[in-house]
Amino acid sequence: QSALTQPASVSGSPGQSITISCTGTSSDVGAYDYVSWYQQYPGKAPKIIIYEVTYRLSGVSTRFSGSKSGNTASLTISGLQAEDEADYYCSSYTTTRAVVFGGGTRVTVL
Amino acid sequence: EAQLEESGGGLIQPGGSLRLTCEASRFIVSDHFMNWVRQAPGKGLEWVSAIYTGGNTYYADSVKGRFTISRDNSKNNLYLQMNSLRVEDTALYYCARDPPGPDGAFDLWGQGTMVTVSS
Repeated sequence: QSALTQPASVSGSPGQSITISCTGTSSDVGAYDYVSWYQQYPGKAPKIIIYEVTYRLSGVSTRFSGSKSGNTASLTISGLQAEDEADYYCSSYTTTRAVVFGGGTRVTVL
Repeated sequence: EAQLEESGGGLIQPGGSLRLTCEASRFIVSDHFMNWVRQAPGKGLEWVSAIYTGGNTYYADSVKGRFTISRDNSKNNLYLQMNSLRVEDTALYYCARDPPGPDGAFDLWGQGTMVTVSS
């Protein structure tokens, strides 16, 4: 049950697009299309924004999109806005019926 | 609107035990896959345990044999019994719902209850 690998930080200017990668193995990310992405503001509980790799929760901005290739999933935020500054976590269901999270990525809007 | 509210956290010495409670409102716990997730201070999220609708339970390797997840259908509550606590178990503990599950997509989270293990 090793954590998925995410970059510690990603930054971009308002209006730009950024992509956060999430690398796992054939036992988690590569096994199923069960990758989720969460947004967390300081002092708040995480909020799911993407599930099953590409599906956005109702009410989530269309600026957020997800994808996957092999053992690596990605979250893209287009048209970066100040309100997007937060921590982002990926997660994956695994072949052992566990759930594994990534280490988290701090997104900074310059 | 469905909600989750955790309680039962506190300061406990290493080796001690604690039971966390997660009260659910406006949905039925036993109809969903339910989980505990923790977050150490300043650190990332770590999945701890899950209980499936059929009652099967699953644990992270780091807590297997020490923690037990359960639910009380009559009270609509989820629990986490934590024994043999270690300093590294110090974290904010969240309960989270995984509908329709199980796929690790947690759509509802509580605000968490803090567990501090220290002498």
